[in-house]
Amino acid sequence: DVKVTQSSRYLVKRTGEKVFLECVQDMDHENMFWYRQDPGLGLRLIYFSYDVKMKEKGDIPEGYSVSREKKERFSLILESASTNQTSMYLCASMMGQGIYGYTFGSGTRLTVV
Amino acid sequence: GEDVEQSLFLSVREGDSSVINCTYTDSSSTYLYWYKQEPGAGLQLLTYIFSNMDMKQDQRLTVLLNKKDKHLSLRIADTQTGDSAIYFCAENTGNTDKLIFGTGTRLQVFP
Repeated sequence: DVKVTQSSRYLVKRTGEKVFLECVQDMDHENMFWYRQDPGLGLRLIYFSYDVKMKEKGDIPEGYSVSREKKERFSLILESASTNQTSMYLCASMMGQGIYGYTFGSGTRLTVV
Repeated sequence: GEDVEQSLFLSVREGDSSVINCTYTDSSSTYLYWYKQEPGAGLQLLTYIFSNMDMKQDQRLTVLLNKKDKHLSLRIADTQTGDSAIYFCAENTGNTDKLIFGTGTRLQVFP
């Protein structure tokens, strides 16, 4: 089975901190994605990547950046955390043709205080 | 528009059938998906349907696709308390490798 592993289930950070959320997949998928999930708003795409060192902005990239130095790892960076970035963050990966859709990690619930 | 629409809530009695509906956006979508999210967890793929099919059955799950109306539904037979979760539909428009998700339907099953 494909596994997508997010390094932390729960994180509490202070306003202004730089925050790193890590995601690793083990099936050589080309595509990786970061979403945030908020009640009533569904899933919103922050950034995605089609290949190593490639990145594309999603619908809500402001306040975030990403890094993909290796194919299996896609990191989401909050440059200066703010309270409105308190959310559930979901990482996903997908094979190029997308027949089987995304495989998601179990999520990181981030609280910024 | 770009929105994939779902109703927010559905409440059913244990043992009854549940039907979760979704209206998607792109008539050229090649694959459509249903995901389940249990409390505090990520999304898990339940099933998918290719756009040249109009029905797919997998044990208690039946997916119906009406391409003309761009309507997708998920029927869960003999709904159990373990089916309580949020259900998301998603489409792959084929233009990119991104999926577009609905807002999710929270299914509550009561005894």
